[in-house]
Amino acid sequence: DSGVTQTPKHLITATGQRVTLRCSPRSGDLSVYWYQQSLDQGLQFLIQYYNGEERAKGNILERFSAQQFPDLHSELNLSSLELGDSALYFCASSVNPAGTGDHGYTFGSGTRLTVV
Amino acid sequence: GENVEQHPSTLSVQEGDSAVIKCTYSDSASNYFPWYKQELGKGPQLIIDIRSNVGEKKDQRIAVTLNKTAKHFSLHITETQPEDSAVYFCAARQYNNNDMRFGAGTRLTVKP
Repeated sequence: DSGVTQTPKHLITATGQRVTLRCSPRSGDLSVYWYQQSLDQGLQFLIQYYNGEERAKGNILERFSAQQFPDLHSELNLSSLELGDSALYFCASSVNPAGTGDHGYTFGSGTRLTVV
Repeated sequence: GENVEQHPSTLSVQEGDSAVIKCTYSDSASNYFPWYKQELGKGPQLIIDIRSNVGEKKDQRIAVTLNKTAKHFSLHITETQPEDSAVYFCAARQYNNNDMRFGAGTRLTVKP
């Protein structure tokens, strides 16, 4: 157990729908990062939050949004889903904004989203 | 921005042999290079990292080398075991920058 909790583990939904993925960071970590991993693809950075504020943005579609709450958990909202959004979505956390230090990034086990 | 290329995409070795995975990066300002191991059904796990002020770092059977001039770094696994079978990702980033870029991954298979 890495200490980063992602729910749900699996999600199947239809095109056009909206889903919310949830992430609880490792205790003490203030930064949360969201990554998308498509089949046989690498990890694509979506967005980062640090202590409740958006810190960095990657290749995140306008249909996607995220937020980090006062208790530091984060949610990734995916709307108007398309077949191509099917992927593994990982959340990672780190103690500081840049993921440096002894721990670097700690990843959760991911949410597998299937859009049918 | 940073671009990280990783080779090979798949690697198969016999148990006990060594495995080497290579990555190149484009941004000369990058100075932090972690390696992650992703087992089936799990998230990536940090296994070793190196900063640009050193050329090599070892941790038991795992070592990473860095050539800043050539902008490439490599993961070396010696005496491979079946449990080393996984997907390995390299990454590069400026030490205090949030934008960490990952390679496409290498699927390592260690045959018993």
